[in-house]
Amino acid sequence: GQNIDQPTEMTATEGAIVQINCTYQTSGFNGLFWYQQHAGEAPTFLSYNVLDGLEEKGRFSSFLSRSKGYSYLLLKELQMKDSASYLCAALDSNYQLIWGAGTKLIIKP
Amino acid sequence: IAGITQAPTSQILAAGRRMTLRCTQDMRHNAMYWYRQDLGLGLRLIHYSNTAGTTGKGEVPDGYSVSRANTDDFPLTLASAVPSQTSVYFCASSQGGGIGTDTQYFGPGTRLTVL
Repeated sequence: GQNIDQPTEMTATEGAIVQINCTYQTSGFNGLFWYQQHAGEAPTFLSYNVLDGLEEKGRFSSFLSRSKGYSYLLLKELQMKDSASYLCAALDSNYQLIWGAGTKLIIKP
Repeated sequence: IAGITQAPTSQILAAGRRMTLRCTQDMRHNAMYWYRQDLGLGLRLIHYSNTAGTTGKGEVPDGYSVSRANTDDFPLTLASAVPSQTSVYFCASSQGGGIGTDTQYFGPGTRLTVL
């Protein structure tokens, strides 16, 4: 079956760095998305990776290893507004998104 | 309108009642999707439409129906609501075309409670 695994919850300190991991098993693979979702709001797009390696976008970076079925989202210089859930989603061979349950990130001062 | 709108924002519904959740996008996207999001679970796809006039079943389609009469609108209907359909419902759209960089954009959601 198809499956996405990511930690349920993580805690980090303002100004620090945090890495949120995601492993995936899908029927075929056409890329890996990360979305941010603040409580009570809709998910918003953060990043997309289809090739191995690191994609950097400001304070956020996303990494992909296709051979390991693994991705991570790296958040630097954490701010209180980064407190949110981070959703990992893999695009399968039918171009359907398979979603993880999300990682709730709590930022402490 | 800018992006995707959903209506209503929230609704309390008696079991057995019929309910239609509305979704409209103004981005001229070909593909549209309906998801439900429950605590502790990921977004689950209910139905999708790759282009106007076509629809498909997602992971959890039972008890729901959709139509796609035009590009902009994609209503979701619960024919006879049951308590297990209590959830937050998100509509999303994307350019479509079966390409990997096909980012989905989400509406604000409808919070539905079935009693």
